[in-house]
Amino acid sequence: EDKVVQSPLSLVVHEGDTVTLNCSYEVTNFRSLLWYKQEKKAPTFLFMLTSSGIEKKSGRLSSILDKKELFSILNITATQTGDSAIYLCAVAYSGGGADGLTFGKGTHLIIQP
Amino acid sequence: DSGVTQTPKHLITATGQRVTLRCSPRSGDLSVYWYQQSLDQGLQFLIQYYNGEERAKGNILERFSAQQFPDLHSELNLSSLELGDSALYFCASSVSGYYGYTFGSGTRLTVV
Repeated sequence: EDKVVQSPLSLVVHEGDTVTLNCSYEVTNFRSLLWYKQEKKAPTFLFMLTSSGIEKKSGRLSSILDKKELFSILNITATQTGDSAIYLCAVAYSGGGADGLTFGKGTHLIIQP
Repeated sequence: DSGVTQTPKHLITATGQRVTLRCSPRSGDLSVYWYQQSLDQGLQFLIQYYNGEERAKGNILERFSAQQFPDLHSELNLSSLELGDSALYFCASSVSGYYGYTFGSGTRLTVV
């Protein structure tokens, strides 16, 4: 059975700290790994990673994928209160005419002023 | 606005009832996916449709059904509702999974 495991499940830090969120996976027909940020409602897209070892960056956020060890990390530097959210890791798969996403349970990140 | 429209935003109904959730995908997207998000289970895949045809089923209960219409909008029907069906239901769409998935803002279902 496909599995995506995120850790930690919950994290409380102070503004300005750097955080690292982890995602490991066991998914057949792997195509890519995606990170989403979920605040009040819909998950919003952050990154899509398809190749190992290539870091993707967007401002203070960055992410990298290791396809040999089957994990990814999401780093957030100089955290701000607006970074408080649930961060979701999802693995995109395809096969047999179907495709979709398998999600982890998410990391609930709280940034304290 | 992501371009994926879900209605209604909130729904409160009694146990045993039936409800219909609606999703209009982003313009040009042929695939629609339904997910259920509860506090303890995270986002669980329910079902995928592509251009009107069912493509994949996930953890969808037999009391639940879905369809995609010729105009590509989709409906998720939930019947004989139980308290445990209370959750956020998301619809996502894609033109091709290779280019990612766009989520709607969800329908919060509360069964009382």
